[in-house]
Amino acid sequence: DSGVTQTPKHLITATGQRVTLRCSPRSGDLSVYWYQQSLDQGLQFLIQYYNGEERAKGNILERFSAQQFPDLHSELNLSSLELGDSALYFCASSADTVGGARAFFGQGTRLTVV
Amino acid sequence: AQSVAQPEDQVNVAEGNPLTVKCTYSVSGNPYLFWYVQYPNRGLQFLLKYITGDNLVKGSYGFEAEFNKSQTSFHLKKPSALVSDSALYFCAVRDGGDKLIFGTGTRLQVFP
Repeated sequence: DSGVTQTPKHLITATGQRVTLRCSPRSGDLSVYWYQQSLDQGLQFLIQYYNGEERAKGNILERFSAQQFPDLHSELNLSSLELGDSALYFCASSADTVGGARAFFGQGTRLTVV
Repeated sequence: AQSVAQPEDQVNVAEGNPLTVKCTYSVSGNPYLFWYVQYPNRGLQFLLKYITGDNLVKGSYGFEAEFNKSQTSFHLKKPSALVSDSALYFCAVRDGGDKLIFGTGTRLQVFP
């Protein structure tokens, strides 16, 4: 068990809808990362938050947004969903942003858009 | 920008034989390199990392990786493969001290 909790584990929704994925980082970890894993794109970095502030942005669509709350949990909001958004979404956390700090991954949320 | 490449989509090896999963990197400055493994329907699990120091890094489950600066490689190795090692393996590099940039992954298949 990595200590990172993601909910829900599975989500099936229709095109055009909006969903929220939730992540609780390991206790004490200030940094949260979101990744998207799809068959054709591999593991893509979406966005990172550190202690409530956005730290880095990757290949995140404008239809997607995220935030990190004072209790350090994070939510990834996906709106106007398209079939191509179907993927496994991972959250990871690390204690800080020092280069050698390892990231711990949750088990992911599998999103299916129909 | 930092990047890693995994040139093999799949590696097949017989149980008991040594295995190597290849990774090359492209970084500016000192590289922070990682290996993660993903089992079916699971998240990524940390195997090992190279920050500095000894070029041979030992990790979880009997895996090790060799950092080679002249060849810009960080290959994952195990002396004797197990069927249970069959999984998807990702090499990663830390970018700008923050996010991890992953390779495309290599599927390891260990045959009995």
